[in-house]
Amino acid sequence: QQQVKQSPQSLIVQKGGISIINCAYENTAFDYFPWYQQFPGKGPALLIAIRPDVSEKKEGRFTISFNKSAKQFSLHIMDSQPGDSATYFCAASYNYGQNFVFGPGTRLSVLP
Amino acid sequence: NAGVTQTPKFQVLKTGQSMTLQCAQDMNHNSMYWYRQDPGMGLRLIYYSASEGTTDKGEVPNGYNVSRLNKREFSLRLESAAPSQTSVYFCASSGRRQGASILGRGGYTFGSGTRLTVV
Repeated sequence: QQQVKQSPQSLIVQKGGISIINCAYENTAFDYFPWYQQFPGKGPALLIAIRPDVSEKKEGRFTISFNKSAKQFSLHIMDSQPGDSATYFCAASYNYGQNFVFGPGTRLSVLP
Repeated sequence: NAGVTQTPKFQVLKTGQSMTLQCAQDMNHNSMYWYRQDPGMGLRLIYYSASEGTTDKGEVPNGYNVSRLNKREFSLRLESAAPSQTSVYFCASSGRRQGASILGRGGYTFGSGTRLTVV
């Protein structure tokens, strides 16, 4: 299965709160899991990525948690800020990062 | 600045008209892609080119053709536009820098998109 499922579809968080977006996949051949951030009118931009040989990767306020046995991974945004308001896509790929499969996206709104 | 450049940014077509979306990247990437983005459906792959001289169909190729003109340029053509092709189109590129490790292979670099409306 090539599908990547993502939830929730939309998320509203207060400034300073934690935003959590979840993704699940079926294809165990996937070996690279990035998250993309997209602002209105712009193309998606790579935010953070993880390989399945680690369970967590942190970059600043952004953390990916990866559960290989459950075939799930999630994005945590700590101390969420209004500037984080965007659409977030999870993705998965194999074959050295070619031909990514994307989740449907989560629209995050961080209230001031 | 290095990146992926798409033209045009906006386009309105009448049903049955044809047009070509242009994409160029200056990062010496081998692979290039065309996606369409529709509300609630995320990004769906139309066509891709793993390397210069090769192209392959993605998830939703019907109604489109592509040309990998050289390593830098990858164009998408709509021969006879239909209202169902109203969407935002993104070009992307990816590739490993020479000598880069698998861990550093990175993801896609996207262009800023073309918003196409077919009436």
